[in-house]
Amino acid sequence: GESVGLHLPTLSVQEGDNSIINCAYSNSASDYFIWYKQESGKGPQFIIDIRSNMDKRQGQRVTVLLNKTVKHLSLQIAATQPGDSAVYFCAENMGTGGTSYGKLTFGQGTILTVHP
Amino acid sequence: DADVTQTPRNRITKTGKRIMLECSQTKGHDRMYWYRQDPGLGLRLIYYSFDVKDINKGEISDGYSVSRQAQAKFSLSLESAIPNQTALYFCATSNPGATANEQFFGPGTRLTVL
Repeated sequence: GESVGLHLPTLSVQEGDNSIINCAYSNSASDYFIWYKQESGKGPQFIIDIRSNMDKRQGQRVTVLLNKTVKHLSLQIAATQPGDSAVYFCAENMGTGGTSYGKLTFGQGTILTVHP
Repeated sequence: DADVTQTPRNRITKTGKRIMLECSQTKGHDRMYWYRQDPGLGLRLIYYSFDVKDINKGEISDGYSVSRQAQAKFSLSLESAIPNQTALYFCATSNPGATANEQFFGPGTRLTVL
């Protein structure tokens, strides 16, 4: 079956640097791509999503880029802080509307470690 | 108080036992989900429910069953637990439509099957 995967399982950065977390996907029919953050001992937390008809979307200190040509998704975190240390998951929503939304397929995750 | 709660938080059981994991939410969401998380495999959807009368199988439903007792409650059962069901289980909720991308997760239940 089709799946969402990550290039790098771990990423270490210094506090204040920008972080880039990458994700490769294989399902061209996905309507939305989503990023989640999971801190140790907690459930995942939604960060940002992007619809397939967009290339870029910005949130608070985060930017998601979508390159449909190479089926690549990235999450950029500006001025990374120790509190950003977590596992980051990309996910795709293959729903095309109505009741099909909500079925998310998650990637394996990238561990981000931010050093003070 | 947490919006999505799960009980128990930890459970150790033996092969063949019946186990029920419970999830409650105060967010007023119609949609609820059960996922399992295994190291290196991300989260995989077990079952999801769009309302009390609508329950659907997810990616890995074999060996599991669910019950949506009310809008706020969604329980997951393992009828006869086996060791490869040892995992971290998460319940989640969401609003309908495109906002279902934003799912609100509980703290998880760590289940160990011996």
